[in-house]
Amino acid sequence: AQSVTQLGSHVSVSEGALVLLRCNYSSSVPPYLFWYVQYPNQGLQLLLKYTSAATLVKGINGFEAEFKKSETSFHLTKPSAHMSDAAEYFCAVTSTGNQFYFGTGTSLTVIP
Amino acid sequence: NAGVMQNPRHLVRRRGQEARLRCSPMKGHSHVYWYRQLPEEGLKFMVYLQKENIIDESGMPKERFSAEFPKEGPSILRIQQVVRGDSAAYFCASSLGHLQETQYFGPGTRLLVL
Repeated sequence: AQSVTQLGSHVSVSEGALVLLRCNYSSSVPPYLFWYVQYPNQGLQLLLKYTSAATLVKGINGFEAEFKKSETSFHLTKPSAHMSDAAEYFCAVTSTGNQFYFGTGTSLTVIP
Repeated sequence: NAGVMQNPRHLVRRRGQEARLRCSPMKGHSHVYWYRQLPEEGLKFMVYLQKENIIDESGMPKERFSAEFPKEGPSILRIQQVVRGDSAAYFCASSLGHLQETQYFGPGTRLLVL
């Protein structure tokens, strides 16, 4: 069975501050991990994905995530938050490609 | 270079009516996935289809829900005799292939059952 846990349903950061969104996964087979962003009333947009190549993955809009097998984590970071980063962020895991298992999401607020 | 298209974007139905949600995948994509998002929750997988075939429907409720992806035309998610608990956002995603391929999501259909 696979699952994803996102710690912190709401995260607030000041503009220019570090963004850290946490994701821990559970998988009995090597996982493939994804971060998606969702803006209000829109679909999900892929930020980045890990597919067993480099453990540090760089995505769009300055985001990156590091796969840590020992910690079963795939936390999303960005050095400096922008107002436009305010959105809902979802971590997802798959192994077969049939199903993506999504976390419950983290709502990011950026304070000016 | 259109992305995944879903229509309608918003759908209002009364209890007992039928809801039909349409999804046109990205050009060249033959894999379609449907997800449901309830308020304050993440997306839950419902069904995975390829052209004319249901590959995995383990996330579909056993009754009232069905999905198809015909040889021609969009994929359809059909909900019969809707109930208030069916109110949610329904997202379609498509991918070029299978196994770790990126899924591209449509804007969703927001279903409200009165």
